[in-house]
Amino acid sequence: AQKITQTQPGMFVQEKEAVTLDCTYDTSDQSYGLFWYKQPSSGEMIFLIYQGSYDEQNATEGRYSLNFQKARKSANLVISASQLGDSAMYFCAMRGGSGAGSYQLTFGKGTKLSVIP
Amino acid sequence: GAVVSQHPSWVICKSGTSVKIECRSLDFQATTMFWYRQFPKQSLMLMATSNEGSKATYEQGVEKDKFLINHASLTLSTLTVTSAHPEDSSFYICSATYGYTFGSGTRLTVV
Repeated sequence: AQKITQTQPGMFVQEKEAVTLDCTYDTSDQSYGLFWYKQPSSGEMIFLIYQGSYDEQNATEGRYSLNFQKARKSANLVISASQLGDSAMYFCAMRGGSGAGSYQLTFGKGTKLSVIP
Repeated sequence: GAVVSQHPSWVICKSGTSVKIECRSLDFQATTMFWYRQFPKQSLMLMATSNEGSKATYEQGVEKDKFLINHASLTLSTLTVTSAHPEDSSFYICSATYGYTFGSGTRLTVV
């Protein structure tokens, strides 16, 4: 069974500062993938960044980077230069296993990020 | 690319009626789609896996007779909430395998 843990129910960050959202995971699969999604109040799930278990380098996408520490089973999201529009719920998710079922995602409970002007 | 369209965005229905939610892959073929449910202030929970041309696979605790899933084509999966009750009020959202793209979600309110 796969498990995603996000221990920060809420976070505050000053505009233009960087913030790290924590995510730890547990899986027995050798091949897996880790995702971060942003969910604004409208409800849509916006894909931010992906890290494969065999990727040697940390993923980066613009202001988003994923601090992947495989031995610690952590996949923290770093948002640089926070903007007011970054205020939203952030979910860490994992896929794993084999076959068609490997595409389903297991989500953490989420972290609500509030950016302060 | 990899756009998933979901309709309706929101729906209000009377208790006892049925509601159909559509999920379409616009620029790719999706042999598998996933349906998630999200209650207020909670995370997304997988309800079922929709497979084109075959029966859906439901997660434990999800009533297959209440949440009917049809995936008759490579671009369309539908979720029908039958005999809806207030406790079915939730946010329902679909995703497709390609790119792990999500639809925009459907907010269902049963009164």
